[in-house]
Amino acid sequence: TQLLEQSPQFLSIQEGENLTVYCNSSSVFSSLQWYRQEPGEGPVLLVTVVTGGEVKKLKRLTFQFGDARKDSSLHITAAQPGDTGLYLCAGASSGGSYIPTFGRGTSLIVHP
Amino acid sequence: EAQVTQNPRYLITVTGKKLTVTCSQNMNHEYMSWYRQDPGLGLRQIYYSMNVEVTDKGDVPEGYKVSRKEKRNFPLILESPSPNQTSLYFCASSVERRDNEQFFGPGTRLTVL
Repeated sequence: TQLLEQSPQFLSIQEGENLTVYCNSSSVFSSLQWYRQEPGEGPVLLVTVVTGGEVKKLKRLTFQFGDARKDSSLHITAAQPGDTGLYLCAGASSGGSYIPTFGRGTSLIVHP
Repeated sequence: EAQVTQNPRYLITVTGKKLTVTCSQNMNHEYMSWYRQDPGLGLRQIYYSMNVEVTDKGDVPEGYKVSRKEKRNFPLILESPSPNQTSLYFCASSVERRDNEQFFGPGTRLTVL
């Protein structure tokens, strides 16, 4: 099974601060997804990146896929309490596996 | 409303008592899967199904069974639950596996005493 390492595991910041979450692997992925999960709910897709070097923006969130398609980052600008949640990255193997690999998640708390 | 539903949402049971967690989706998705989520371990896939009557093992299939007799339903069966199966379970579906978005159900919190 391929591994996706997420860092940091926990993040507690004040409203208005910026932050970056990292998702790294030694394996190549054909695509990578970021999900956000709120307490008591299932994960919800934020974005899918498929091209090495791709950058996607979703309001205050910026997602980047590494050139070698082994890593990704999520940057949040001016975090708000509504950004609080568990952020998960998930990779689809380039080798044809039907089993997606999920990172362990980054738990973000944004204090007002 | 497009959704994945799971039942029950919460279940407390005892070791060895067979149980079934139901999952249903109304989006006509071919691909469905079951995950368990444990602190520090993230989401791990238990079983998946590419279509009706087609199922296969994920990363952690031991102690679980599934069936896919209809496209919309994908129940998870624990024939003889054990305490190490205490976890938060999610069902998910998508048009295709891999690049397409997976839609997750709300989760089933299972406690096996």
